[in-house]
Amino acid sequence: DAGITQSPRYKITETGRQVTLMCHQTWSHSYMFWYRQDLGHGLRLIYYSAAADITDKGEVPDGYVVSRSKTENFPLTLESATRSQTSVYFCASSGKQGFYQPQHFGDGTRLSIL
Amino acid sequence: KNEVEQSPQNLTAQEGEFITINCSYSVGISALHWLQQHPGGGIVSLFMLSSGKKKHGRLIATINIQEKHSSLHITASHPRDSAVYICAVLNYTSYGKLTFGQGTILTVHP
Repeated sequence: DAGITQSPRYKITETGRQVTLMCHQTWSHSYMFWYRQDLGHGLRLIYYSAAADITDKGEVPDGYVVSRSKTENFPLTLESATRSQTSVYFCASSGKQGFYQPQHFGDGTRLSIL
Repeated sequence: KNEVEQSPQNLTAQEGEFITINCSYSVGISALHWLQQHPGGGIVSLFMLSSGKKKHGRLIATINIQEKHSSLHITASHPRDSAVYICAVLNYTSYGKLTFGQGTILTVHP
């Protein structure tokens, strides 16, 4: 089915471990985004990508790594997870032809780091 | 001061009431989004607007660019409208990056 999917939906891991959150979209959208959502902070941008092989930092990029070798995939990796990275993570995409279009969000990944 | 401020933070209403959620922003923008998030759920884009007014069903969004202000109205509210409503702006130099308000928690009682 067309859309944007995130996996896993829920993840529990330990501090120091590497974790990768997956995001896949079927619209061939150019722009993709990773956000985290925390109580008291709302949604904050971690990284974004304007096209395959083009990525840039958002508001809170420290501790995260992204890649985009294919247009449809935008994985987010926590190289060495910390408790402060416990959060709900949302992936979004927009704009086959530009970013002046609504962003479509995935269902989120709830990540707990013990 | 946040670039995007929403009010109120919490809103409780009785079914059938007319509801207004406000969003003020301090930067020049090219577009403003209204998003909806149900408890434990994903985020859905309701509107994207850069001028005037848009309507979808019982939802109406307006924007006044000169006053840097937008409102989201819900007519004949229903318990299923209970959700968090988030305002987000796309400023001129942000290259697609949204800046979000803190959200308004709406609860509609039957």
